Amino acid sequence: QQPVQSPQAVILREGEDAVINCSSSKALYSVHWYRQKHGEAPVFLMILLKGGEQKGHDKISASFNEKKQQSSLYLTASQLSYSGTYFCGTEPTYNNNDMRFGAGTRLTVKP
Amino acid sequence: KAGVTQTPRYLIKTRGQQVTLSCSPISGHRSVSWYQQTPGQGLQFLFEYFSETQRNKGNFPGRFSGRQFSNSRSEMNVSTLELGDSALYLCASTPYGTGNYGYTFGSGTRLTVV
Repeated sequence: QQPVQSPQAVILREGEDAVINCSSSKALYSVHWYRQKHGEAPVFLMILLKGGEQKGHDKISASFNEKKQQSSLYLTASQLSYSGTYFCGTEPTYNNNDMRFGAGTRLTVKP
Repeated sequence: KAGVTQTPRYLIKTRGQQVTLSCSPISGHRSVSWYQQTPGQGLQFLFEYFSETQRNKGNFPGRFSGRQFSNSRSEMNVSTLELGDSALYLCASTPYGTGNYGYTFGSGTRLTVV
């Protein structure tokens, strides 16, 4: 079952913050986040595991609420390079090898 | 090190034909997954292979099949092509699976069925 992402699209000015949410109706073991730029392959950003800590690098971080089966991706002080479509992928069990992706959130950062 | 390589990059086929797409994972990666990406449906899981065995399969008709070779290279085949099969087909690899690893995706094969 595919997770649900919100919002579908976001438009920001450079320096603004954004939050992208991902929720599932099933219990989750892991949540993955990817970014895809137009015409390119999705690129792995980070993985959050059940029982793990909030992760992040640079100004992009994410949290995982196991009880609510939700994850959020936080982009702070956005840069032009952050533009793209963000996907969350979820797995219900460890090494399920059957990752389901949300429909994506299109993020546009303007100067 | 080399990334995930998919060939060909573009394909145009006629309805009713069949097509074979190839994916070479990152050296040392033994798990290969395939996804179909369309504007309306997003990323849809097709199947995953590990050590030449299919471990999981998505909700696609039997016209979609795949295999993996002993060197971890994988192929997917679509028989009796339909217009709705037009999509970007992405393969992704990990060392053992997705348990604690993120996917490395290839650039994809864009299939157009006319």
